[in-house]
Order: sequence, then C-alpha cells, then structure tokens
Amino acid sequence: QQQVKQSPQSLIVQKGGISIINCAYENTAFDYFPWYQQFPGKGPALLIAIRPDVSEKKEGRFTISFNKSAKQFSLHIMDSQPGDSATYFCAARENDYKLSFGAGTTVTVRA
Amino acid sequence: DGGITQSPKYLFRKEGQNVTLSCEQNLNHDAMYWYRQDPGQGLRLIYYSQIVNDFQKGDIAEGYSVSREKKESFPLTVTSAQKNPTAFYLCASSIGGTGGNIQYFGAGTRLSVL
Repeated sequence: QQQVKQSPQSLIVQKGGISIINCAYENTAFDYFPWYQQFPGKGPALLIAIRPDVSEKKEGRFTISFNKSAKQFSLHIMDSQPGDSATYFCAARENDYKLSFGAGTTVTVRA
Repeated sequence: DGGITQSPKYLFRKEGQNVTLSCEQNLNHDAMYWYRQDPGQGLRLIYYSQIVNDFQKGDIAEGYSVSREKKESFPLTVTSAQKNPTAFYLCASSIGGTGGNIQYFGAGTRLSVL
C-alpha cells in the first residue's frame, strides 16, 4: 500500500494558469519531502524539496506548501508553461536510503 | 559528463528467460537503487545498496536479484520467477549515509515480454 497518497492523477491547465498537486501521508517519521519531475521516456529529476519545520518553500515558479498538523503538502506551479508538461511525483523520506513515492500526476499545459 | 547510464534502453524477454539490466554511475556515490515504475503506481523500490558488496531488499524484491561488486555498477537481473516483468525500470544513486537522500536517476530501461 502506498504510504504517500497523491492527487489528482492528471490535470490540464491553460498556459499562464496555476497547477496544484496535493499529497498526504500518515507516517510522522518522514523527515524530508522532495518533488520530482519526469518527462516522457526519461528518469525523474529533483525539482524542489522541503523539510517539515518549514511551511513554504519557493523556487522560481514552483512552490511547496507544507501543513505538518494535517500531514499534507502540495506543489504549486505558477504561470504554467507548455514546457512544464510532465509527470510530477511527491515523495517522503523514511531514512537515509528509502523514499516513498506518490503515484504521480500528469500535468498538461495547453498553449 | 557525470551521471547515471542505464542500458539497454529497450529490452525484450522471452518466457523462462533471465535478463540483466545494466546501471553505471560516475558520480562517486556510495548508494544505488533500483525502482520499478508502472502506470498509476509511482516508483516502487526493488533493491538498494548502501556500499559495495552489500544490498538490501526493497518493497518488491521477489523475482529480482542484484550484485554490487564495484562502486560504479549495480546490475539488476529479472529472473524467470518474476511473472509480470513488463515495466519501466529506473536506477538511481545518492551520496548515502548522513549526506541525505537526494537521488539522481538514469533514463530508464523499458522491459517487455515477447
């Protein structure tokens, strides 16, 4: 069973719009929450990450919001561009060697 | 160019056959990983290795085997015991230990059954 639940499975957004992807977890031992971006036929690449003692982290057009009490975190893609069309995975670190991944969200940005 | 190289890009397996997927890294990372990716299921950990000559089972190790004889290499064998091997296989590496767990991924191998 997946320890990190991710939604939605897919979303379509117009160019310039905001994409929002949500993740939830139960294991309070998770101590690091990265997001990965994957283009078709490629491996995932680290996009942005947050620690649970921080409520928000922003890097360019990408922002993670983290709610420790609700055990939820989300990725916001502002001013979405066609080049952002990809599959996004949230993840949570159990220890130095194990990440639990969400099921992924396929984002399509229409020009 | 530093990175992770997976080969082949596409692989076909016949019934009852074992096949081996290659993964090589030149990032000088201690830890290496194998994941299986199926549509709608995210990435599931098959095996990981913290150091040379050591490896541990992940969540779905049945039907797979690995070796770690060199720091740079972590091949994965999909055995005939794996009844549903069709998937996209991803290799990753990280510094490991207290260096954290930022994992860097290869471009993947797509395995299909003939």
